[in-house]
Amino acid sequence: GAGVSQSPSNKVTEKGKDVELRCDPISGHTALYWYRQSLGQGLEFLIYFQGNSAPDKSGLPSDRFSAERTGGSVSTLTIQRTQQEDSAVYLCASSLRTGHRDEQFFGPGTRLTVL
Amino acid sequence: GQSLEQPSEVTAVEGAIVQINCTYQTSGFYGLSWYQQHDGGAPTFLSYNALDGLEETGRFSSFLSRSDSYGYLLLQELQMKDSASYFCAGPYNQGGKLIFGQGTELSVKP
Repeated sequence: GAGVSQSPSNKVTEKGKDVELRCDPISGHTALYWYRQSLGQGLEFLIYFQGNSAPDKSGLPSDRFSAERTGGSVSTLTIQRTQQEDSAVYLCASSLRTGHRDEQFFGPGTRLTVL
Repeated sequence: GQSLEQPSEVTAVEGAIVQINCTYQTSGFYGLSWYQQHDGGAPTFLSYNALDGLEETGRFSSFLSRSDSYGYLLLQELQMKDSASYFCAGPYNQGGKLIFGQGTELSVKP
């Protein structure tokens, strides 16, 4: 079946502009996660949605970052007034969230470059 | 705190066995996951240890010792295609988010 998809695959923007990144999770997965990965670094947690519960926003680095998940499916990560330090690969993952053994399925990522 | 430490790089030869270690901070820790990421690709799940001991999946095995706050990933019969970055990660505090280590870049040489 289809995996996690993300769009766009690449985004180049100018400092100060707003960007929207999209994630389509695997159908039926109740949990959705956003991470970012800077070059040669590990994954940094940003935000987590589980069903109808309030999202865990504890990883968002500033109030310029926000995310929403509509209808328990598609999610959009918005970065306002982008800065050069926002340049990274933004990864989305989804899972069935059946317990602690929570195999997360990752999308291919959106590479964001802020000039 | 919540953090995981692993070596930045490991080199091994084709056909050999390699072990990638991971130590973690225990506050809220629930279990240890391992993910593989090829250059430019998405991370893919390899294993999860909830209990102490060894979990085996084909050529890959993963081990956890809660008393030592330590785990490792063991790769046997190394192949060139195993060259990738390997991340240990933990779910903490019953939440779904994963805290990742910085990754170990494995280079398999002929």
